[in-house]
Amino acid sequence: GESVGLHLPTLSVQEGDNSIINCAYSNSASDYFIWYKQESGKGPQFIIDIRSNMDKRQGQRVTVLLNKTVKHLSLQIAATQPGDSAVYFCAENIRGAQKLVFGQGTRLTINP
Amino acid sequence: DTAVSQTPKYLVTQMGNDKSIKCEQNLGHDTMYWYKQDSKKFLKIMFSYNNKELIINETVPNRFSPKSPDKAHLNLHINSLELGDSAVYFCASSQGGGPWEQYFGPGTRLTVT
Repeated sequence: GESVGLHLPTLSVQEGDNSIINCAYSNSASDYFIWYKQESGKGPQFIIDIRSNMDKRQGQRVTVLLNKTVKHLSLQIAATQPGDSAVYFCAENIRGAQKLVFGQGTRLTINP
Repeated sequence: DTAVSQTPKYLVTQMGNDKSIKCEQNLGHDTMYWYKQDSKKFLKIMFSYNNKELIINETVPNRFSPKSPDKAHLNLHINSLELGDSAVYFCASSQGGGPWEQYFGPGTRLTVT
């Protein structure tokens, strides 16, 4: 839905810790979900995706979990590094809509 | 070997002017998109084209006219620019006609004064 407020939600983690970024979606007809990373001044960069027939998918240092019961999606980043600092977006495709609807975004900051 | 490229990267213009943003992808994808990202970082789709045909038009004012001369290009022309058009515009592409795994360009920051 529409972004609200002037500031993005922010998550601060210590370098080396694991990060968990959460996303809620509202449409039970959503069949595909995707996470993007956007660094300052750059375009969104694909991280990982998952289809609704899966609960979990793993990539390099990242894991996406999908809980369809509560309509919740999370991105876990293992051993967070300074280069992980960015805004992270989840997006969903509603079956038949053929378009991605983006969430508000979460700013991840890494403390040294 | 840039995958999705856009020109220009920055565009500063006055109200009422007409401007164009160009997008090219060398991924061999068949679907291309234009998105608008506002100052709050909210990213919203404007248009999508599949094999040069318009698939999605998200109630964008008709001052915005996308044009796809071929599968690898999707340009955005904006007439009579308004202050509210100031934003970052992203082009993206994907394969297979669906929104799966879209790859984004670097963005064009449009400032209307």
